[in-house]
Amino acid sequence: SQELEQSPQSLIVQEGKNLTINCTSSKTLYGLYWYKQKYGEGLIFLMMLQKGGEEKSHEKITAKLDEKKQQSSLHITASQPSHAGIYLCGADLSGTYKYIFGTGTRLKVLA
Amino acid sequence: DGGITQSPKYLFRKEGQNVTLSCEQNLNHDAMYWYRQDPGQGLRLIYYSQIVNDFQKGDIAEGYSVSREKKESFPLTVTSAQKNPTAFYLCASQAVSNQPQHFGDGTRLSIL
Repeated sequence: SQELEQSPQSLIVQEGKNLTINCTSSKTLYGLYWYKQKYGEGLIFLMMLQKGGEEKSHEKITAKLDEKKQQSSLHITASQPSHAGIYLCGADLSGTYKYIFGTGTRLKVLA
Repeated sequence: DGGITQSPKYLFRKEGQNVTLSCEQNLNHDAMYWYRQDPGQGLRLIYYSQIVNDFQKGDIAEGYSVSREKKESFPLTVTSAQKNPTAFYLCASQAVSNQPQHFGDGTRLSIL
């Protein structure tokens, strides 16, 4: 099984709707990173969370790390077609340089 | 502008042939990484290097080799021993372990 589980695997929403993507680990997260990827391109860094209870926002995207540091959520408010893509969470589970990544959530926003 | 450059964007390999994917960074980052991305499987770590002249195997190193002779460069060779090389390959770099990794635009490798 995946060490880092993302849900849902895919999501189709109408423009203007809110949505949430979850990332769950069976181990304590030393750092949790959210990325966005357009098909066939590299990953674009969105946000980094390191402290339990931490919340960060960038434009209409908010990410939170729960108190136990084992789950993170990414929330998009009033989605737009420009939000479409694949969202991946990455995590450092051992406090070293090795990351693992979730399998991604594919988001489509209908205009 | 600072960043990570991967080349080529598309690469084709014949049976029995080794091919090398280039990754260069001008971010002055110590650590560099190679990942393989297959549909529905997320990113899997091939090799990583924390410092020049040193590198470690990741989770799927068989059939691949790397070198780290310069801080800026971390080329990946896909050898003929890698039986299923068709994938999207991503290179990343990182300043220190509690900072995010930054990615290049990827190389798509296909078999002729």
